[in-house]
Amino acid sequence: SQQGEEDPQALSIQEGENATMNCSYKTSINNLQWYRQNSGRGLVHLILIRSNEREKHSGRLRVTLDTSKKSSSLLITASRAADTASYFCATTGDSGYSTLTFGKGTMLLVSP
Amino acid sequence: NAGVTQTPKFQVLKTGQSMTLQCAQDMNHEYMSWYRQDPGMGLRLIHYSVGAGITDQGEVPNGYNVSRSTTEDFPLRLLSAAPSQTSVYFCASSLQGGNEQFFGPGTRLTVL
Repeated sequence: SQQGEEDPQALSIQEGENATMNCSYKTSINNLQWYRQNSGRGLVHLILIRSNEREKHSGRLRVTLDTSKKSSSLLITASRAADTASYFCATTGDSGYSTLTFGKGTMLLVSP
Repeated sequence: NAGVTQTPKFQVLKTGQSMTLQCAQDMNHEYMSWYRQDPGMGLRLIHYSVGAGITDQGEVPNGYNVSRSTTEDFPLRLLSAAPSQTSVYFCASSLQGGNEQFFGPGTRLTVL
């Protein structure tokens, strides 16, 4: 069963605007990761945030993690048409050997 | 480095046929995994391996077999294909489970 659930399922914005995607999960985690998938391609890792971190930045990406609410958000600032893709959150559990459990993803469309 | 490679890119099978999806990585990663991606379902873990000779089941292992005789290769075998196995299959690898995963380009499989 899916651990993470992204919200919204789809998001349409104009170039230059910010895009925010949210992820909620159910059980305790070791870390949470965000991936991007362009249409018809494999997933590409964007950023990893550990359970003891609250915020992380990478270029135009900002990720927050609230373990008390079991939620994370991904903010893409100053969006570009090239950011059009599906974005997935994935979590690893905090016990035993850690496999990744993916959510269903948010489809982001950035229009020129 | 080629990263993670998968063959074939596309495959059409008839119900009951068997086949092997190939996956190889040249990054000396211990952890490898197979996912299937269906519309609206995100990625679901089929099988994974934490090193040569060690494999384990994921969320949806039925109808699939794996083996890991070398660090580099992690083939996925469909024993008797069924239409429900029509999907896009992704192989991924990482230094350890729970770390950033590197994905292959995927194999699009159709079972008639």
